[in-house]
Amino acid sequence: QKEVEQDPGPLSVPEGAIVSLNCTYSNSAFQYFMWYRQYSRKGPELLMYTYSSGNKEDGRFTAQVDKSSKYISLFIRDSQPSDSATYLCAMTSNTGNQFYFGTGTSLTVIP
Amino acid sequence: GAVVSQHPSWVICKSGTSVKIECRSLDFQATTMFWYRQFPKQSLMLMATSNEGSKATYEQGVEKDKFLINHASLTLSTLTVTSAHPEDSSFYICSARDRSLGGNTEAFFGQGTRLTVV
Repeated sequence: QKEVEQDPGPLSVPEGAIVSLNCTYSNSAFQYFMWYRQYSRKGPELLMYTYSSGNKEDGRFTAQVDKSSKYISLFIRDSQPSDSATYLCAMTSNTGNQFYFGTGTSLTVIP
Repeated sequence: GAVVSQHPSWVICKSGTSVKIECRSLDFQATTMFWYRQFPKQSLMLMATSNEGSKATYEQGVEKDKFLINHASLTLSTLTVTSAHPEDSSFYICSARDRSLGGNTEAFFGQGTRLTVV
């Protein structure tokens, strides 16, 4: 079983839609959860960073962590064509050095 | 957010030659740096982890004599692909963390380097 599972998509939505991206994981030691956005031929860009369970909001983006279900989500409100990219979830433990990444979900927002 | 600069952004080299990729943290001290490889439409594959002042730790299946990593200072790590072959063509990405603050922190990524070996 992979440490982190993420549906690769592709996901295609109309402009203005609410997008929900998700990852599940198996290691209960994971405490730090991140979402990265990666445009084609570019390095990943950190979007959201949360610790333990709960919600975090930043503009149109909301990250949720449910440790009891080992499930994390990223919501994008009022999606824009510029949001079209691959979204990667990543996580690590308190003492861990290594990050564990999902495979990434490819998102296209259609004008 | 913190800035990690990776150079060059793309490089083409002949088979058998060596290529050096630099990764610099511009506004923080990167006590830990990671090197990843990414194939098209796939996620990041960790190649090695380096902590400042110690040798890099390579993931299983990654040839340390082929992919030389030097964490030269708290702001610079280099990856040298030695005797490159066409199958080494890929997108290489570095990331850096500042763990000197204590606890765990997020990682910031460089822009990536597209290597093409002809």
